Amino acid sequence: DTAVSQTPKYLVTQMGNDKSIKCEQNLGHDTMYWYKQDSKKFLKIMFSYNNKELIINETVPNRFSPKSPDKAHLNLHINSLELGDSAVYFCASSQEAGHSYNEQFFGPGTRLTVL
Amino acid sequence: AQKVTQAQTEISVVEKEDVTLDCVYETRDTTYYLFWYKQPPSGELVFLIRRNSFDEQNEISGRYSWNFQKSTSSFNFTITASQVVDSAVYFCALLLYNQGGKLIFGQGTELSVKP
Repeated sequence: DTAVSQTPKYLVTQMGNDKSIKCEQNLGHDTMYWYKQDSKKFLKIMFSYNNKELIINETVPNRFSPKSPDKAHLNLHINSLELGDSAVYFCASSQEAGHSYNEQFFGPGTRLTVL
Repeated sequence: AQKVTQAQTEISVVEKEDVTLDCVYETRDTTYYLFWYKQPPSGELVFLIRRNSFDEQNEISGRYSWNFQKSTSSFNFTITASQVVDSAVYFCALLLYNQGGKLIFGQGTELSVKP
């Protein structure tokens, strides 16, 4: 009965490679997010989608491309990986309630290490 | 500018002590939400509380309590009779109503509760 799941949990790869992280939520939420947590534990939003539409697109290199095939999935594709991309990536989801924002539920995170 | 400051980087207490984690936020918006999340050593992010800007009532949930004061732009979190299982990084976060659900996190406070 996992709420927000991410695969893989760990990803170790070489500089220059292309990789994807998958995220799925079974909560029926209509909004999904990607956050990056750096080595100092600082969390920063990257993207959000609402019903497959891009809502938030922070200042992120265009090597990062989110894709939402349906409202239960939000995948993150990263091209030409760099050392600085090493971080933990969290997916989250939430359900907007009218004109209110509810809490975001986070996945377990994907630890990406670029060598 | 919107910002969340958690001035305490690390706090260490002995079990059964009370501890308060400070959170100060900055925004000019009148409608916003404040959150606390817990990140235990296992790495997941656990939602603790949500407050909207129109609700300044303090809240108590078991050993946890929150004090929201708009006059000082603070949303502090107190753990009463701390336990070793409370050891974690705690994040305060601000969500602006007009920014599509973007969560702005503070730097986090690492709480260590020693037996």
